[in-house]
Amino acid sequence: SYELTQPPSVSVSPGQTARITCSGDVLPKQYAYWYQQQAGQAPVMIIYKDNKRPSGIPERFSGATSGTAVTLTISGVQAADEADYYCQSADSSGIWVFGGGTKLTVL
Amino acid sequence: EVQLVESGGGLLQPGGSLRLSCTTSGFTFSTYAMSWVRQAPGKGLEWVSGISDDGDSSNYADSVKGRFTISRDNFKNTVYLQMNSLRAEDTAVYYCTSQGLIWGQGTMVSVSS
Repeated sequence: SYELTQPPSVSVSPGQTARITCSGDVLPKQYAYWYQQQAGQAPVMIIYKDNKRPSGIPERFSGATSGTAVTLTISGVQAADEADYYCQSADSSGIWVFGGGTKLTVL
Repeated sequence: EVQLVESGGGLLQPGGSLRLSCTTSGFTFSTYAMSWVRQAPGKGLEWVSGISDDGDSSNYADSVKGRFTISRDNFKNTVYLQMNSLRAEDTAVYYCTSQGLIWGQGTMVSVSS
């Protein structure tokens, strides 16, 4: 099995840029996905295949990859962005793994 | 409208069995792989199991292998999770998802004596 590592928490002021990293040995070989989970709600995919946004996801959300790490960037952070964020990938046999999650706090 | 609705959760004792269902609508179910993901209270997301679009291939997390079985009925647009030999650590909200893009609202499974 493999692991994805995220920081437990990130804090940012409104209007600033938040960056959440996710690292793992599988990431150079497999796509990364990002999910936003608001309190008490189901996850929502915000980035797929490293850097693509599903329909309806604002352009403020972007993804990038570099070696064994991927980064979720949220530009112009808003209070509504306060949530837990998870990265996810899958190995070649289709087994998924999630990162531990990052709690984004908007100060 | 695309919809996934989980059902079958409940409270049961260790060692018990439960079958979760995820009924879908609004998309061509038979062309999508499906997965179950769980979230223990106050914890992160954990992938549990996945099944291919035709049901011929499935995968499991090590934590449930040999105890849980995923299946699907493409005529009923439904995916199932049969859970046997349940343990306290299986307590979680169980979500079904279509390739991570569409999620249900989740169903709670509590295992306690």
